[in-house]
Amino acid sequence: GAVVSQHPSWVICKSGTSVKIECRSLDFQATTMFWYRQFPKKSLMLMATSNEGSKATYEQGVEKDKFLINHASLTLSTLTVTSAHPEDSSFYICSARVSGRVYEQFFGPGTRLTVL
Amino acid sequence: AQSVAQPEDQVNVAEGNPLTVKCTYSVSGNPYLFWYVQYPNRGLQFLLKYITGDNLVKGSYGFEAEFNKSQTSFHLKKPSALVSDSALYFCAVRDIGGTDKLIFGTGTRLQVFP
Repeated sequence: GAVVSQHPSWVICKSGTSVKIECRSLDFQATTMFWYRQFPKKSLMLMATSNEGSKATYEQGVEKDKFLINHASLTLSTLTVTSAHPEDSSFYICSARVSGRVYEQFFGPGTRLTVL
Repeated sequence: AQSVAQPEDQVNVAEGNPLTVKCTYSVSGNPYLFWYVQYPNRGLQFLLKYITGDNLVKGSYGFEAEFNKSQTSFHLKKPSALVSDSALYFCAVRDIGGTDKLIFGTGTRLQVFP
């Protein structure tokens, strides 16, 4: 149980285009989802916290207009990288918190974004 | 501010030998501590957590961690390493802001040699 999926697993796009990444909780409802960014050989950086039905809470320094997060249902959150540039290339990972299990997060497999 | 530190970028150990991956924490109040493992191009997998109770916490795949309040440490251990344990290990602490945010260490790459 507690499986989180991400789609796509990798994507290559041209500079200036937008890319949408989906994060789904497959067998549970996730009231809260988190989006992380991981640079090569670096730790995970929390980008934003997404709560179902409300606006995401972004961490300091993360551009809200560039990284659009939507948590439309209890099983789906999306991250859209708008007008992507090469510096946005990274590994993006989502996680979901299971309702009632406050202290655990379950992570998706990640999405590798490469912007040319 | 809450933080965790992983002082070693890489740990090398021979298969069959015990392994330790170090983590120290800095928190106000009681810490909620976690260990996660990441295999190449994959998301993080939960290994174990300390919330309260026994200082020795047992987790997945034979791993355990010892919470030491006086040394503010939460080292990950395994009695006998496997080559398949080679991966990137992250220590994390729950943020006290009530949002369930996790603050991660910089990660330690474990390399187990046959």
